[in-house]
Amino acid sequence: DAKTTQPTSMDCAEGRAANLPCNHSTISGNEYVYWYRQIHSQGPQYIIHGLKNNETNEMASLIITEDRKSSTLILPHATLRDTAVYYCIVRPSPYNTDKLIFGTGTRLQVFP
Amino acid sequence: EAGVTQFPSHSVIEKGQTVTLRCDPISGHDNLYWYRRVMGKEIKFLLHFVKESKQDESGMPNNRFLAERTGGTYSTLKVQPAELEDSGVYFCASRETGVPDTQYFGPGTRLTVL
Repeated sequence: DAKTTQPTSMDCAEGRAANLPCNHSTISGNEYVYWYRQIHSQGPQYIIHGLKNNETNEMASLIITEDRKSSTLILPHATLRDTAVYYCIVRPSPYNTDKLIFGTGTRLQVFP
Repeated sequence: EAGVTQFPSHSVIEKGQTVTLRCDPISGHDNLYWYRRVMGKEIKFLLHFVKESKQDESGMPNNRFLAERTGGTYSTLKVQPAELEDSGVYFCASRETGVPDTQYFGPGTRLTVL
């Protein structure tokens, strides 16, 4: 799996958009970008994934650059409940059942 | 539909004792995974079952850890004897084969070895 690089930590004011970057310069053509988060005292939670087009769901938006070497997870209106560690993971097809490889992630702190 | 459940939520044991963690996957999910996060470290993969067979056990740290999934339903992870460095949060996840989906995680078991 391709390696990802994320900032160690970020802050965001409640109600503002949180933009979490991820670099994955060695991503291959058939690999997807996945985002998960772990809220304290809970298990990791899937957020969103994409191949090359921008994606949006009820939780977040995912913007992938045209060269696919980086992406940004956007939480449009961050709340205190979004405080968590966010993981960007590059993986094969959504049909793939292999293990997840978590990096260090970005610790997002949403403040009032 | 019930999610992945884990029992117990917390366990505190003495060094040298035995502890057994249990995971009940989402009904119908043939893939079951164990991960753990030790203090200050990343979440690490331990083991992957497909039904009752071990598909990948490359993350198991040593032979003090024994995972089973008899009948391909729930799974247990036994640590015997427990050591101080085994302290951490143990997560279980499950997913279905053959559909474009992701892994669903349980809330974890926090293990403290004193």
